[in-house]
Amino acid sequence: DIQMTQSPSSVSASVGDRVTITCRASQGISIWLAWYQQKPGKAPKLLIYSASNLHSGVPSRFGGSGSGTDFTLTISSLQPEDFATYYCQQANSSPPTFGQGTKVEI
Amino acid sequence: EVQLLASGGGMVQPGGSLRLSCAASGFNFSNYAMSWVRQAPGKGLDWVSAISGSGGSTYFADSVRGRFTISRDNSKDTVYLQMNSLRAEDTAVYYCAKGRYGSNYFYTMDVWGQGTTVTVSS
Repeated sequence: DIQMTQSPSSVSASVGDRVTITCRASQGISIWLAWYQQKPGKAPKLLIYSASNLHSGVPSRFGGSGSGTDFTLTISSLQPEDFATYYCQQANSSPPTFGQGTKVEI
Repeated sequence: EVQLLASGGGMVQPGGSLRLSCAASGFNFSNYAMSWVRQAPGKGLDWVSAISGSGGSTYFADSVRGRFTISRDNSKDTVYLQMNSLRAEDTAVYYCAKGRYGSNYFYTMDVWGQGTTVTVSS
């Protein structure tokens, strides 16, 4: 199975800050990476697919980049509704595997 | 509006069985693969199983293979997860999710249900 490692595990930030989360795959996955946002008690929501494509309805302050083994999720200007946990997930091969999550806190 | 509504969770003793259901609406159900993903209390996301749009292909995580089965009824726009020989480590919120690209692609999940809670305990 492909292992996904996110860093940091948590980050403290303020409204308006730029936040960057990284995700590393244990082997190359081309651009087959997705990012999800999850708020407490709620289902995950797809933010980005194919490493850099914004899912419908997702604000443009979210951006993704990377290919191969190293990927980044960037929130350009953190908003109050962005405080949540973010997961990367490889979409290259079965089983799909997730990173351990990054909690974005105030 | 695309929606998924999961149900069927509950408390069961170790070794017991449970069947989860996920009713879909707002899209052509048979054209999309569907998955189940679980989340143990305080933990991350863990993919469990998937099924192709026709139901002809199924996929399982090693941790549940041989104990869980997945099926779908395209006439009812519903996917099921039959869970047998349940263990304490199966305790989790179970989410159903729609594959983004089509009938055989389940890796990227663009719509998620609200989740149903399964507790395995004596």
